[in-house]
Amino acid sequence: NAGVTQTPKFQVLKTGQSMTLQCAQDMNHEYMSWYRQDPGMGLRLIHYSVGAGITDQGEVPNGYNVSRSTTEDFPLRLLSAAPSQTSVYFCASSYSRRTGGNTEAFFGQGTRLTVV
Amino acid sequence: DAKTTQPTSMDCAEGRAANLPCNHSTISGNEYVYWYRQIHSQGPQYIIHGLKNNETNEMASLIITEDRKSSTLILPHATLRDTAVYYCIVRGVNSGGYQKVTFGTGTKLQVIP
Repeated sequence: NAGVTQTPKFQVLKTGQSMTLQCAQDMNHEYMSWYRQDPGMGLRLIHYSVGAGITDQGEVPNGYNVSRSTTEDFPLRLLSAAPSQTSVYFCASSYSRRTGGNTEAFFGQGTRLTVV
Repeated sequence: DAKTTQPTSMDCAEGRAANLPCNHSTISGNEYVYWYRQIHSQGPQYIIHGLKNNETNEMASLIITEDRKSSTLILPHATLRDTAVYYCIVRGVNSGGYQKVTFGTGTKLQVIP
């Protein structure tokens, strides 16, 4: 059971480049989300999804796109990378969506992105 | 979402109990309190959660006040490996009825030998 897998682990981009951060989970979880974490700060929610075909914005969605075509995958796309997007990105998944929550979230190990 | 307030940092002697407080005065009746921790720069790790009653598992205990406006995470015998940032979270539900999880800045717990 791999849990939540993020790729790549490290990435350096030039300003203006685009790329996709991959996130996959093998636990058949409905709920998936993306966070970014900047030095000395907590995690901020970028986008989340409550199931295939359904996504919504979090606290800091600007500059990012997401899609959810399958239950397993939830990629995060940077359209035109900017230095302000230098951060560590975490993907998470959990089972429940509407039950109000007695399910834990599982996190990936992060993608460390630097935009120069 | 209900917001949470935690102290920025705390120290605890190794082998002693670590008591981490969290205020969530705007919590609503169907919202759970969750605790996670993040060791160094790894992905956050689930610790425990609760609604009204106190909870205990192999990692920690969670004490929720009767009015549910605050809670305390207790690590009964802190070890050096418990040094981490601890996040108290209240799970919210948006207008569509779906959950979203938002994190604050957490408490940096330093366990001292």
